[in-house]
Amino acid sequence: TQLLEQSPQFLSIQEGENLTVYCNSSSVFSSLQWYRQEPGEGPVLLVTVVTGGEVKKLKRLTFQFGDARKDSSLHITAAQPGDTGLYLCAGGKDTGRRALTFGSGTRLQVQP
Amino acid sequence: EAGVAQSPRYKIIEKRQSVAFWCNPISGHATLYWYQQILGQGPKLLIQFQNNGVVDDSQLPKDRFSAERLKGVDSTLKIQPAKLEDSAVYLCASSQLSSSDTQYFGPGTRLTVL
Repeated sequence: TQLLEQSPQFLSIQEGENLTVYCNSSSVFSSLQWYRQEPGEGPVLLVTVVTGGEVKKLKRLTFQFGDARKDSSLHITAAQPGDTGLYLCAGGKDTGRRALTFGSGTRLQVQP
Repeated sequence: EAGVAQSPRYKIIEKRQSVAFWCNPISGHATLYWYQQILGQGPKLLIQFQNNGVVDDSQLPKDRFSAERLKGVDSTLKIQPAKLEDSAVYLCASSQLSSSDTQYFGPGTRLTVL
């Protein structure tokens, strides 16, 4: 079974602070995706990274895929209350199966 | 473009009862997934369809769970009989066959088993 461990599980910060969420695995993935999920909704894709060492930026969010494609991080600069939600990483395998293996999630609360 | 539709949004049943969930994927998406998300955890794949064929159902508890996608479009997921530990959000997602692994999720059905 491929496991994706996310840390921290919970994070409560003040508006304007920076934070980093980590996603680690012992398995190699062909792609790594980050989702954000709000209460009562399904996960929404934020970014996909496919190359070891790849860095992608989405406004105040920076995503990095580890060189060995086993881990990833999400860094948020100057967090805002609108960033509040459950952040999920998900690994994909380059097979016909295509289904994703999700991490357990990091619940972020940004206080105004 | 309409997103993935699911119904009902909420369901409360007694243990040992039966329940069914419905999913309408994005038009043209060949692949459909059902995930189970227990409170405090990430989604776990139950079953994956490609058109009307099953690609992966290795994590589906087949003694009580069943799913079908008869015409390669809509899908239903059934639980019979339900157990307390089946309380979860059931998410449906769809993706195009030949594109990247971008999956689009529905809002989910929250099941409570009493």
